[in-house]
Amino acid sequence: LAKTTQPISMDSYEGQEVNITCSHNNIATNDYITWYQQFPSQGPRFIIQGYKTKVTNEVASLFIPADRKSSTLSLPRVSLSDTAVYYCLVGFPYSSASKIIFGSGTRLSIRP
Amino acid sequence: NAGVTQTPKFQVLKTGQSMTLQCAQDMNHNSMYWYRQDPGMGLRLIYYSASEGTTDKGEVPNGYNVSRLNKREFSLRLESAAPSQTSVYFCASRREGYNEQFFGPGTRLTVL
Repeated sequence: LAKTTQPISMDSYEGQEVNITCSHNNIATNDYITWYQQFPSQGPRFIIQGYKTKVTNEVASLFIPADRKSSTLSLPRVSLSDTAVYYCLVGFPYSSASKIIFGSGTRLSIRP
Repeated sequence: NAGVTQTPKFQVLKTGQSMTLQCAQDMNHNSMYWYRQDPGMGLRLIYYSASEGTTDKGEVPNGYNVSRLNKREFSLRLESAAPSQTSVYFCASRREGYNEQFFGPGTRLTVL
């Protein structure tokens, strides 16, 4: 299973762009990269998923370099409500037997 | 469409007592998961099930048993609760072909 490494915590201010980088040096050829967001007292919520290059949705962008050994979640113009823990995961989605492992996550704090 | 439901929401046990945490999903997903989350920590996978009738160990299976009797329901049993099992327990389901997991609201368990 590919292990991921993220910063433990990050701070930013409202209106700024926040980039959280995740390292996954032993990612397998078939693995996809997925990011989740978790608010206190709630289960994690899916944000975005990608395989290579760049993926964008209404919430975030995901940048994946050619070697796929890392990825960066980009949150544009954050607000106080983006204060949460963000998890980076790697895994193969096309198998119901995939074991999904969460790391420790990055605790993002947004200040006014 | 309720998504993933968990019962109970809260539970206090004495050391040595047993209990079963219930989880059900109405999204017709094959894969289901049980995680525990200790205060300030990430999620750790206890057991998962790729389909009805199959289960596999995750990162921290000791002290737990699971049962996947049908596609909808995946239960987690603590045979002899210990204080170290005090945690929040999350159940999740995932559609094959996607890495997006859908989480339940969690069960807060305290073992005295």
